[in-house]
Amino acid sequence: KNQVEQSPQSLIILEGKNCTLQCNYTVSPFSNLRWYKQDTGRGPVSLTIMTFSENTKSNGRYTATLDADTKQSSLHITASQLSDSASYICVVSANQAGTALIFGKGTTLSVSS
Amino acid sequence: DADVTQTPRNRITKTGKRIMLECSQTKGHDRMYWYRQDPGLGLRLIYYSFDVKDINKGEISDGYSVSRQAQAKFSLSLESAIPNQTALYFCATSPRLALLNEQFFGPGTRLTVL
Repeated sequence: KNQVEQSPQSLIILEGKNCTLQCNYTVSPFSNLRWYKQDTGRGPVSLTIMTFSENTKSNGRYTATLDADTKQSSLHITASQLSDSASYICVVSANQAGTALIFGKGTTLSVSS
Repeated sequence: DADVTQTPRNRITKTGKRIMLECSQTKGHDRMYWYRQDPGLGLRLIYYSFDVKDINKGEISDGYSVSRQAQAKFSLSLESAIPNQTALYFCATSPRLALLNEQFFGPGTRLTVL
């Protein structure tokens, strides 16, 4: 069964600190892996999309990594800000059409001052 | 994302009522999707449409129907709402020629069925 597992479920960090969120997946076939940020009461917003051949992709203070051999991905947030408080969702696409997205449950990040 | 709007944003209804959720987009995208999000679960695809005359069932289409009235409009209907359809509903769009089919989500509709 296709699954995307994220850890930790929730995380609290101090403003200015770095953090890393984890994503393990068992999805076949694999097309690409996405990280989304979802603010409370809002729709998910794409942070990065990586294909099989990409190991790292950055978007400002967000850096995603992908190890297709071990089927693991991480999202590293540098110098966290209060506005980073949100749910971060790992999504694996099993086709290029985008009609077979397997969503993780998300990691809830709280950044405190 | 203001380019994808959903109405209503919140709705409370009773079991057995017919409900329509609407989605409009100004992105000019051909592809549109409806998802639902339940607490503690990932988003799940209900229906999707690749153009005005194309409608496809997703993972959890039972109890739902859709209408693609125009390129910019995609509506989701619950013919006879039941309590386990209480959830957060998201519309999403993507361009037809996008290599990785990135999807852009609306702000969501919170539906409560009593």
